[in-house]
Amino acid sequence: DTEVTQTPKHLVMGMTNKKSLKCEQHMGHRAMYWYKQKAKKPPELMFVYSYEKLSINESVPSRFSPECPNSSLLNLHLHALQPEDSALYLCASSQDRGSLAKNIQYFGAGTRLSVL
Amino acid sequence: AQSVTQLDSQVPVFEEAPVELRCNYSSSVSVYLFWYVQYPNQGLQLLLKYLSGSTLVKGINGFEAEFNKSQTSFHLRKPSVHISDTAEYFCAVIPMDTGRRALTFGSGTRLQVQP
Repeated sequence: DTEVTQTPKHLVMGMTNKKSLKCEQHMGHRAMYWYKQKAKKPPELMFVYSYEKLSINESVPSRFSPECPNSSLLNLHLHALQPEDSALYLCASSQDRGSLAKNIQYFGAGTRLSVL
Repeated sequence: AQSVTQLDSQVPVFEEAPVELRCNYSSSVSVYLFWYVQYPNQGLQLLLKYLSGSTLVKGINGFEAEFNKSQTSFHLRKPSVHISDTAEYFCAVIPMDTGRRALTFGSGTRLQVQP
């Protein structure tokens, strides 16, 4: 089972709303990632969690707040977003153990976010 | 730092024809290399990877890629494409020697298979 589950699949929100994106995996992976993908562009890394600790933050604005409550779950809390934040948000996970060769990242289907 | 270049933004090809999607990379350290495919309105699926050993790697759906260290390339090939191969293809790298486990992606190549 190499499944990463993201909910919701689609989200429409206003600029004053607060919402959360959820990501779940049950592969025993200890590294989890958030990527942002604009239309016709490659994914761009936002955050990396390793063993439930934030290890990489790619200078993401504070209106995006990640949370890793346990090794299987990763959330992305959204507040006061701008229309330009509309994108596909992808979650990924990897083993993050032993050899780096085992750090194959498996992606979820993404949440398509529209900010009005 | 690493960078990945996919020179072809779009590749139109007829069904059952062969195809090659080009990928070149730049890095000051050795890297692992990957090809991911993204079907419309979906996430990314791993096609194949090069970690070590034989430079010719085989992946899912009949795809293969060849790692050429001297040319810093990792081109993706398929001898006969199907309509269902229409998708966006991303080449990506991870550096071997650092703790940074984040993928650096190329800009993507849109493969359009026509009947």
